[in-house]
Amino acid sequence: EAQVTQNPRYLITVTGKKLTVTCSQNMNHEYMSWYRQDPGLGLRQIYYSMNVEVTDKGDVPEGYKVSRKEKRNFPLILESPSPNQTSLYFCASSLSQGQGWSPLHFGNGTRLTVT
Amino acid sequence: SQQGEEDPQALSIQEGENATMNCSYKTSINNLQWYRQNSGRGLVHLILIRSNEREKHSGRLRVTLDTSKKSSSLLITASRAADTASYFCATDEYGNKLVFGAGTILRVKS
Repeated sequence: EAQVTQNPRYLITVTGKKLTVTCSQNMNHEYMSWYRQDPGLGLRQIYYSMNVEVTDKGDVPEGYKVSRKEKRNFPLILESPSPNQTSLYFCASSLSQGQGWSPLHFGNGTRLTVT
Repeated sequence: SQQGEEDPQALSIQEGENATMNCSYKTSINNLQWYRQNSGRGLVHLILIRSNEREKHSGRLRVTLDTSKKSSSLLITASRAADTASYFCATDEYGNKLVFGAGTILRVKS
């Protein structure tokens, strides 16, 4: 089944404790992206990757890191989480765009709480 | 934040009624997409309309695009309780990313 898999689904951590949220897709998609969703603010892009070893900042990259060593994986790293990073996180992927964007496939989300 | 605008923010209707949501954007686009999100879950792609298309249908969904007004609408006909969700439009107006609107929360009462 074609899917984007995120783990974990729920995560509660303390300020400053490094964490990684994993994202994997099995559709051979070139493009992958991380979003955070907060009430009243909608979906905001954190980082994206056009292909292996190619990553770039989105709208809200501060406090986050990503890597794209393999096409299927795009982990999100919080080196020193803070309470303002408490949010619902989504990973998404799509085929590289030709004329305009292909539909994004989303994971089921990771609800992160930083205390 | 570079976001399109959707209205209404929230919509409550009775089962069987039609629901219309609107999306506006700022610059030229190649395509516009609509997504649905059930509470707390990942977004699911519904329909994509290209800039050279004016209308597109998929089942009970009808999407229109007016590039002169930089706006799109999503119509859900004969709504069902299972249509209760948030609906987002997304555009490629800013280059290497899809920009999502703030969404419309639809509640269908049975």
